[in-house]
Amino acid sequence: GAVVSQHPSRVICKSGTSVKIECRSLDFQATTMFWYRQFPKKSLMLMATSNEGSKATYEQGVEKDKFLINHASLTLSTLTVTSAHPEDSSFYICSASVGLAASYEQYFGPGTRLTVT
Amino acid sequence: AQKITQTQPGMFVQEKEAVTLDCTYDTSDQSYGLFWYKQPSSGEMIFLIYQGSYDEQNATEGRYSLNFQKARKSANLVISASQLGDSAMYFCAMREDGRALTFGSGTRLQVQP
Repeated sequence: GAVVSQHPSRVICKSGTSVKIECRSLDFQATTMFWYRQFPKKSLMLMATSNEGSKATYEQGVEKDKFLINHASLTLSTLTVTSAHPEDSSFYICSASVGLAASYEQYFGPGTRLTVT
Repeated sequence: AQKITQTQPGMFVQEKEAVTLDCTYDTSDQSYGLFWYKQPSSGEMIFLIYQGSYDEQNATEGRYSLNFQKARKSANLVISASQLGDSAMYFCAMREDGRALTFGSGTRLQVQP
C-alpha cells in the first residue's frame, strides 16, 4: 500500500510554545489529507480535512486558530499547534487519500505523540 | 448520533480459535465504504479489510473476513485461527462520499495462549 510519513514521532514542548507536525505522502499524490486526534484508550476523532491549495475544513469544536493546517503541495500537509497547553497533549495522526470517494482508502501516518509540559 | 457502533469494549479469544468483532453503522447514503483497522500499542493504523456498499460478496483478506449484512447495517469482522500477534485494538470505520473516515469506539482483542 501507499506510504505516509509523519514527523516527528514524539515531541515534548513547554506550555505556550508552538509545535509543527509534518505529514508526507511518499509515493502518491494526496489531493486530500486528514488530521485526527486520539486520546488514550479512545477512538480517532477527525479534526480537519484539507485539500491541496485550499483552506482546511475544520470539524465542529476544533479551534482553527489553535490548530493551523497547511496543505501546500500534493505530498505535504502540516499541523501547527499554536500556544500549546497540557490539554493539547495527545496522539495526532494524519491520513492521506487521492480523493473523497467512499471507496478510496485513507492511508495513515504512524502518528505523533505530543506531550505539553 | 453515532455513525459507527462497536458494542464490545473488550474481547478474549483462545489462540487458534475464531473471533467475531461486531460493528453496526448508520447512513442514509447509498454509496459508502466500510473498513476495519488494527491498532497495536505502537499506535499505527493497519488496514485490514474493505467492503463497498455495492459489493454483493463478503470481503475476505487472508484470515480476515467481513460479514456484511446490508439490511441490518452490520459489518462484523471475523478473524480465523487467532494468533498472539492479533492482540490489539480493532476499529470499524465508514467512509461516505465526500467525507472522511468515521471511526467506532474500538474493541480491544486479547488472544490468550
